[in-house]
Amino acid sequence: DAGVTQSPTHLIKTRGQQVTLRCSPISGHKSVSWYQQVLGQGPQFIFQYYEKEERGRGNFPDRFSARQFPNYSSELNVNALLLGDSALYLCASSGAGTGNYGYTFGSGTRLTVV
Amino acid sequence: AQRVTQPEKLLSVFKGAPVELKCNYSYSGSPELFWYVQYSRQRLQLLLRHISRESIKGFTADLNKGETSFHLKKPFAQEEDSAMYYCALSENSGYSTLTFGKGTMLLVSP
Repeated sequence: DAGVTQSPTHLIKTRGQQVTLRCSPISGHKSVSWYQQVLGQGPQFIFQYYEKEERGRGNFPDRFSARQFPNYSSELNVNALLLGDSALYLCASSGAGTGNYGYTFGSGTRLTVV
Repeated sequence: AQRVTQPEKLLSVFKGAPVELKCNYSYSGSPELFWYVQYSRQRLQLLLRHISRESIKGFTADLNKGETSFHLKKPFAQEEDSAMYYCALSENSGYSTLTFGKGTMLLVSP
């Protein structure tokens, strides 16, 4: 099993640009969540998708959006990038409809906004 | 609103010493509690969850609802335990998400 895979691993963007981050969950996992981890902080919840529907949204501006595809992979989009969006973006998948079984995390995408 | 507090940014101990990483939470309902660990250059991974009542790599954690705590303990620290540890909480319901603390860096010296 390849685990949760994320691409790209690193990314440098300029303020005002748009970025798309991608995530493939563990085979059979239908729930995908996105987290933002700023240096020195714990991961902060952005979105959760289950069966291609948004099931939860954290306290992030509308510049952040996401979607889940029929194969359960997911994309996170961030528009009008700000310097403060620089962070490690983590994707996590879960094999159950709830988080009670614990999520499996990917290695993340390191986004740097300059 | 739910919150997870890890009061120590850094905990430094010698090999063989006992370790206790503190975690306190704030949540009105009945939460699920987890400990995640991130070793150097590795991805965040689940260490243990309170519902399993398991011991992983010698670590245990007991949920104390009265004190709203979920401290992580190990009687004898090893150098390979050096890592970043995050306490996390999720609602005991469907489609729950994780709320993380800020993490504690554990450094075990020889």
